[in-house]
Amino acid sequence: QVQLQESGPGLVKPSETLSLTCSVSGGSISGHYWSWIRQSPGKRLEWIGYIHNDGTTNYHPSFESRVTISIDTSKNQFSLKLSSVTAADTAVYYCARDDGIRFDYWGHGSLVTVSS
Amino acid sequence: DIVLTQSPGTLSLSPGERATLSCRASRTVGSAFLAWYQQKPGQAPRLLIYAASNRATGIPDRFSGSGSGTDFTLTISRLEPEDFAVYYCQQYGSFYTFGQGTKLEIK
Repeated sequence: QVQLQESGPGLVKPSETLSLTCSVSGGSISGHYWSWIRQSPGKRLEWIGYIHNDGTTNYHPSFESRVTISIDTSKNQFSLKLSSVTAADTAVYYCARDDGIRFDYWGHGSLVTVSS
Repeated sequence: DIVLTQSPGTLSLSPGERATLSCRASRTVGSAFLAWYQQKPGQAPRLLIYAASNRATGIPDRFSGSGSGTDFTLTISRLEPEDFAVYYCQQYGSFYTFGQGTKLEIK
């Protein structure tokens, strides 16, 4: 059974960079796409972007200028960096396995609050 | 972006009743690229239906999906107490988008 677990700081200051890591267990990170999705209070789910183990990335245009998703296949992990954060970036951030059309495994989510 | 609009926003029903949830897209969505998720408070979304009508592994057969083009439907044939949750549709075009959700609440 594939399991995903997000980790990272729960509090980030405005204008700084949000960094989260997703650890994958119960299966290989190779051969799949891996996505980051967030859910702000009272808002719909927002897909941020994905990465494949070959390094291919695709980002939502809303985040493209300030997001980087990277992967470390040796550690079975992938990561999110979102720069120049504001209060609007306060959300629960989920990592998920992406098979190209759907998200079949999700992490539990990591609440990140942007505040000074 | 393809915008997904779900209706109704809230659906109040009793256990045992039938639930019909709608998802309308602003442009045509390939049926292979439409999925439905269930989310309970404090939990991650759970995949229910993919490719518009295929149940994900372990999903009971009271859940079914249908539709094509711009109109898609999730039907729960006989509501169980554990089915009361928020439901989202999701599509993949050049990137993924989600609907705003339908809250299914106990009447």
